Amino acid sequence: QKEVEQDPGPLSVPEGAIVSLNCTYSNSAFQYFMWYRQYSRKGPELLMYTYSSGNKEDGRFTAQVDKSSKYISLFIRDSQPSDSATYLCAMSETSGTYKYIFGTGTRLKVLA
Amino acid sequence: NAGVTQTPKFQVLKTGQSMTLQCAQDMNHEYMSWYRQDPGMGLRLIHYSVGAGITDQGEVPNGYNVSRSTTEDFPLRLLSAAPSQTSVYFCASSYLGQGNSPLHFGNGTRLTVT
Repeated sequence: QKEVEQDPGPLSVPEGAIVSLNCTYSNSAFQYFMWYRQYSRKGPELLMYTYSSGNKEDGRFTAQVDKSSKYISLFIRDSQPSDSATYLCAMSETSGTYKYIFGTGTRLKVLA
Repeated sequence: NAGVTQTPKFQVLKTGQSMTLQCAQDMNHEYMSWYRQDPGMGLRLIHYSVGAGITDQGEVPNGYNVSRSTTEDFPLRLLSAAPSQTSVYFCASSYLGQGNSPLHFGNGTRLTVT
């Protein structure tokens, strides 16, 4: 079993829809949670970074962490065609381990 | 601010050839790392460094060498290329300190080994 599981999609939604992207994980030592957006032929770009449990909002993006369920989510409100990309979740343990584990990514397509 | 810069963007090698992938960052990050990205496999760590003169192996280090002589640069060397090393390679960096800072990525080098 992989440490981090992420549905590869593809996920197609109409413009303006609310998008929900999710990852599950098995390692209870993960404390830091990240979401990256990756456009085709580009490097991953950091979207959200959270520590421990709770919610974090940045514009149209909201990240949620539920450590009791080992489940993290990224919500995109009012989705736009420019949001079409692959979204990667990533996690790391406590400070000093230098170990980041990535999900395989979910491909999202927002239809105009 | 350039961030993380990788060169070349594309490379084709024949089996057995060697080459160096370059990575430079201008953010004064102590931590630098190399990943490879393959379909269905996600990003896998090859090697990483926590400062000049300090390197360590990641998940898939075989066939690759690294060195870190300066804070800014972290080259990745393929010693004798194999078709299994066909992949997209990303360099990433971050600050070290309290808590694990998020990684900042370059735009990758697409390598094909024939």
